[in-house]
Amino acid sequence: DIQMTQSPSSVSASVGDRVTITCRASQGISSWLAWYQQKPGKAPKLLIYAASSLQSGVPSRFSGSGSGTDFTLTISSLQPEDFATYYCQQANSFRTFGQGTKVEIK
Amino acid sequence: EVQLVESGGGLVQPGRSLRLSCAASGFTFDDYAMHWVRQAPGKGLEWVSGISWNSGSIGYADSVKGRFTISRDNAKNSLYLQMNSLRAEDTALYYCAKENNSGYGSFDYWGQGTLVTVSS
Repeated sequence: DIQMTQSPSSVSASVGDRVTITCRASQGISSWLAWYQQKPGKAPKLLIYAASSLQSGVPSRFSGSGSGTDFTLTISSLQPEDFATYYCQQANSFRTFGQGTKVEIK
Repeated sequence: EVQLVESGGGLVQPGRSLRLSCAASGFTFDDYAMHWVRQAPGKGLEWVSGISWNSGSIGYADSVKGRFTISRDNAKNSLYLQMNSLRAEDTALYYCAKENNSGYGSFDYWGQGTLVTVSS
């Protein structure tokens, strides 16, 4: 089974900050990686697929990079609506999610 | 507009069974693979099971293999999850999710979830 490890588990940041979340796969997954945003009481929302492709309607301040085993989600300038929990997901072999990263207000 | 509406959740005793349903609309259901994802209270997301458009390919998480069965009825635009031998650790909000055909296996639409509580 492929394990996904996100870091950090939580991050405190201010509006306007640049935030970076990393995700590491236990084995190579090429570009079979997605990122989701989840707000309390809501279903997850797809942000990035194929490691770096922005889902339609998602603001361009979100970007993804990486391939193989190491991936990054970057929010270039944090907005109030971005405070949420973020998950990575591999799709190379079945599916596995990372444990999540909570982005909190500093 | 794509809509996924889950139903069938509730309170069930350990060892009993439950069948979840997901009614899909707003897209050509039989063109897409579908999945179930769950989230225990206060915890992260866990993929449960997935099924290809024609039911020819099916997968399960190790935690549910042998107890849960995924199926679909393309004529009814519906996805199902038969859950047997339920355990306390199966307590979670269960989401139905549509696979993104151009998206390297990602999930582009999700339902709002149905809550399953396993307790005596």
